[in-house]
Formats: sequence, structure tokens, C-alpha cells
Amino acid sequence: SQQGEEDPQALSIQEGENATMNCSYKTSINNLQWYRQNSGRGLVHLILIRSNEREKHSGRLRVTLDTSKKSSSLLITASRAADTASYFCATDAGGNQFYFGTGTSLTVIP
Amino acid sequence: EAGVAQSPRYKIIEKRQSVAFWCNPISGHATLYWYQQILGQGPKLLIQFQNNGVVDDSQLPKDRFSAERLKGVDSTLKIQPAKLEDSAVYLCASSLVGLNTEAFFGQGTRLTVV
Repeated sequence: SQQGEEDPQALSIQEGENATMNCSYKTSINNLQWYRQNSGRGLVHLILIRSNEREKHSGRLRVTLDTSKKSSSLLITASRAADTASYFCATDAGGNQFYFGTGTSLTVIP
Repeated sequence: EAGVAQSPRYKIIEKRQSVAFWCNPISGHATLYWYQQILGQGPKLLIQFQNNGVVDDSQLPKDRFSAERLKGVDSTLKIQPAKLEDSAVYLCASSLVGLNTEAFFGQGTRLTVV
């Protein structure tokens, strides 16, 4: 399977804390993307990092990519209750085929 | 800008019945995807179209699933006959063609097979 894996599977934190989730994948990639899914809804794109980039920021999000280890991490700083959702990484080998990981379920407690 | 539209939002059918889902992608997006998301799992790519041609259908169970995108815009995904294990959310997404593009998802159709 080309599907990646996120860990942890579930994460529960207090509002204001930082949340870190990791993604490991198996094949060479052109880019890696992170998506958020609120319960019962479709996925929303958060951030894209190219294979030649090591770190990228967008607002409270920070993504890192280590292609030698085939892994990425997503850091959400100063978490809010509204950040409660499932987070998925998706890899693209260059053919616009997005293969999703297993997801991390994040709960932010007010 | 209108998003990806899917219908119906919910569907309940008995096993061995057939069902069809419809998707209208974002205008101008040449690439359309169907994903299957089983509860507690990540989305699994079933089929990818570019315009009206199939790019990847390697994970589509072709004995019971079929999909078409006749005019390169709307798409339908059909299951015939349905099995209990087909219970899932079926997500349609679309994207532009090119490197480093993102996928835009619809709200999905939740299918329950009883």
C-alpha cells in the first residue's frame, strides 16, 4: 500500500498547548500535504511542502519534511478548541495522485 | 467560487442493491478523484480522472464498482451489487493539473449498507 501512517492515532491537549503529529510514508514524493477533516465533513487543505523544502510555516502551522527518513511533522501552536479535528498527511509522487495516511485525531480541551 | 458538489449526502441500501453517487467538480479543474473513507481510516483513492480519461483505477474493485466522467466535467460512481463492507463515506475531489496542486473535497456521501 502507498498509504502513509500518522502517529499518534489520537492526541488530547489543553487549549493553548502545542500539538505535534507525525507522518511516515513509503515512496519518493514530489510534495507532501496536510489536510484537516472535521467530523462528518470533507477534507480541507492546510499546507503543502515540496520535496526540496525542509520547513514551512502558515499562521499557527509549522510543517517539517525529512525526505531521507520519509517523514514529516505538523505542529499546531497555541491550539484552540476549533482545532479539534482529524489531520491527515497526503503524498504526491508527481502525478497529482494523493495518497492519504491513517490520520491523527486531535481533541483540544477548552 | 463554488466548491465540489456531491449528492446525495446520505444513502441507506440493502446488500445486493445498487447505488450511484454524483459529483460536480470545481469549474476548470481537469482532475477528478473518488475516494472511499471507511470509519476511522484515511481516504483511499478509488479512481482518478483527467478530463474524461482514467489516470489511475488500480484500487477500484472493478467487479462491482464503476465510474465515468463522460464529458470531462461531472462524474458518477456506481456500486452494483453492494456489500456490507462498502459502508463508508465516498468523497469526491478535484484539482488543477500540474505539480504542487492541492485537492478540493466535497462533503461526501455517507453510504450505509444493511
